[in-house]
Amino acid sequence: GDSVTQMEGPVTLSEEAFLTINCTYTATGYPSLFWYVQYPGEGLQLLLKATKADDKGSNKGFEATYRKETTSFHLEKGSVQVSDSAVYFCALAASNYQLIWGAGTKLIIKP
Amino acid sequence: EAGVAQSPRYKIIEKRQSVAFWCNPISGHATLYWYQQILGQGPKLLIQFQNNGVVDDSQLPKDRFSAERLKGVDSTLKIQPAKLEDSAVYLCASSLGHLAGDTQYFGPGTRLTVL
Repeated sequence: GDSVTQMEGPVTLSEEAFLTINCTYTATGYPSLFWYVQYPGEGLQLLLKATKADDKGSNKGFEATYRKETTSFHLEKGSVQVSDSAVYFCALAASNYQLIWGAGTKLIIKP
Repeated sequence: EAGVAQSPRYKIIEKRQSVAFWCNPISGHATLYWYQQILGQGPKLLIQFQNNGVVDDSQLPKDRFSAERLKGVDSTLKIQPAKLEDSAVYLCASSLGHLAGDTQYFGPGTRLTVL
């Protein structure tokens, strides 16, 4: 069945460091891919998405490119801030349109 | 635009008691979802409504969980009787439609602790 695997956390970085959170998927067909973020005490919110191969989603300085050949959708940011501390979830929309979620990666940014 | 509203935000009950959660989706959103999120895991879909009809409830433990969406707007999720393993955050989400690219908007969740 469809599945999403993302790197385990927590990931701890210093402010202004480069961020990569790995996400790979297994799916039939060409699913839409998503990154959601959950800030402390808040609900999940969509960070970015890509609906077809080679699409790049971007928002708030974060980027992720839909790589069909490597079945990956890695999240990157060039210079992280303390305010980026949160839990990040990779997800895909399965053939029945339901979201399949990764386990989440906690990101801690130290000043 | 108002977001997805949920109440209560926190609930503590003893096992075998019952509990109910309420969700008000974004106005005009036809699709409503209830998820269970256990600490350290991604959300698990419990039930999906399209307007007031159930699209998928295959992962809903129907012996103890029930949900309804009257008039295709608000929804309630009930657990009766609760078990220790039901301790989790219960998330409600809504979307305009139910297609692959539709964005789901989440409420803040209800944190349930079963003692």
